[in-house]
Amino acid sequence: QLQLQESGPGLVKPSETLSLTCTVSGGSIDSTRYYWGWIRQPPGKGLEWIGSIYYSGSTYYKSSLESRVTISADTSENQFSLRLSAVTAADTAVYYCVRGHDFGDYLTDFWGQGSLVTVSS
Amino acid sequence: DIQMTQFPSSLSASAGDRVTITCRASQSINRYLNWYQQKPGKAPKLLIYGASTLQTGVPSRFSGSGSGTDFTLTISSLQPEDSATYFCQQTYGTPRVTFGGGTEVEIK
Repeated sequence: QLQLQESGPGLVKPSETLSLTCTVSGGSIDSTRYYWGWIRQPPGKGLEWIGSIYYSGSTYYKSSLESRVTISADTSENQFSLRLSAVTAADTAVYYCVRGHDFGDYLTDFWGQGSLVTVSS
Repeated sequence: DIQMTQFPSSLSASAGDRVTITCRASQSINRYLNWYQQKPGKAPKLLIYGASTLQTGVPSRFSGSGSGTDFTLTISSLQPEDSATYFCQQTYGTPRVTFGGGTEVEIK
């Protein structure tokens, strides 16, 4: 069974960089059939797609975050990572790493448990 | 980006009731519409994909319908364990997927 697990600091200071890593087990991220992404959810609010990375290495980001976001992958470690720079309190959220299908209905079928990141001094 | 409008934002119903949640897209998304259930403190769980296909293991009281811009999620007989927030997601714009605002379902 595929499992995704987020890891990283739970507290980040304003203007600093948020860094999270997603470790994938039970399957390889080195597959043409899937993409790997990040979705966040501010406390008590809805879900927001942040960005995704594909087998080819291509990355796509939400336009409003594009200037601050970087997603990268390390196939040797079966991990992918999120970096979000110049954070503010508005970036406080639970961050989920996910697997999406790059075929068919393009559904998002596996999610990590989520990692709460609070932006505060 | 494709905007997804979901309503109602919350509802309260009794066990055994039939419940319907609606999701509307800002443009046609064919049938690239998925539904998720989220319980407090947990990640969303995929219920339905492709507008109407039930994910493996999901009870048959859940069903989805629609195409184009208008979609519905129906729970035919609400159970206590269905208390959760439900989100729709469009994947027509993949990789730029977007979600509806969510519907919180409470059991009276």
